[in-house]
Amino acid sequence: GQQLNQSPQSMFIQEGEDVSMNCTSSSIFNTWLWYKQEPGEGPVLLIALYKAGELTSNGRLTAQFGITRKDSFLNISASIPSDVGIYFCAGQHYDTSGTYKYIFGTGTRLKVLA
Amino acid sequence: DADVTQTPRNRITKTGKRIMLECSQTKGHDRMYWYRQDPGLGLRLIYYSFDVKDINKGEISDGYSVSRQAQAKFSLSLESAIPNQTALYFCATSDLSRLGTVETQYFGPGTRLLVL
Repeated sequence: GQQLNQSPQSMFIQEGEDVSMNCTSSSIFNTWLWYKQEPGEGPVLLIALYKAGELTSNGRLTAQFGITRKDSFLNISASIPSDVGIYFCAGQHYDTSGTYKYIFGTGTRLKVLA
Repeated sequence: DADVTQTPRNRITKTGKRIMLECSQTKGHDRMYWYRQDPGLGLRLIYYSFDVKDINKGEISDGYSVSRQAQAKFSLSLESAIPNQTALYFCATSDLSRLGTVETQYFGPGTRLLVL
């Protein structure tokens, strides 16, 4: 099945560092979303992006919807230990046949060293 | 109280057994989804339902069936479980925005299933 390419797969960073991860696809999406999943929990929405080129912030998180509508990035500034988790991107659109698509990336596992 | 609940949270079963995973939501959303999560593969859509009378296959529906008993309830069944169905299963709900063009999904806590 179709999936989004998300990178990096995992990263270890020091507390206070900035983090950047991205998601790319061969398909165009109408909406990009970024989720965080903590152990034993379901994904929780962080940021939703609705327009190409849109840049949206949520606290220390900033995400952008690529101009081509085929990619998105998520930045976390000044990381803290509670940022640890798996971050997923997701793209949503209806294809030409009207079929609903909601595709997830493979995830970026983030570990923050205090 | 959680808006999206799943039962059971953990289950161990044997090959060939029938098993049902249940999902309930109090968000009042029309749309409900079942995903499975495997290490390194992210989440993959099994089935989705846009209302009580609407059921659609996702990308990996083989070996699964669903039932939308009410707006608030969406069950996933494995008629004859096999080991490669060992995974973490998530239920999610969503509703359209006021513009009717975008939506956000809200996930349950997951059910960890082990098929021996």
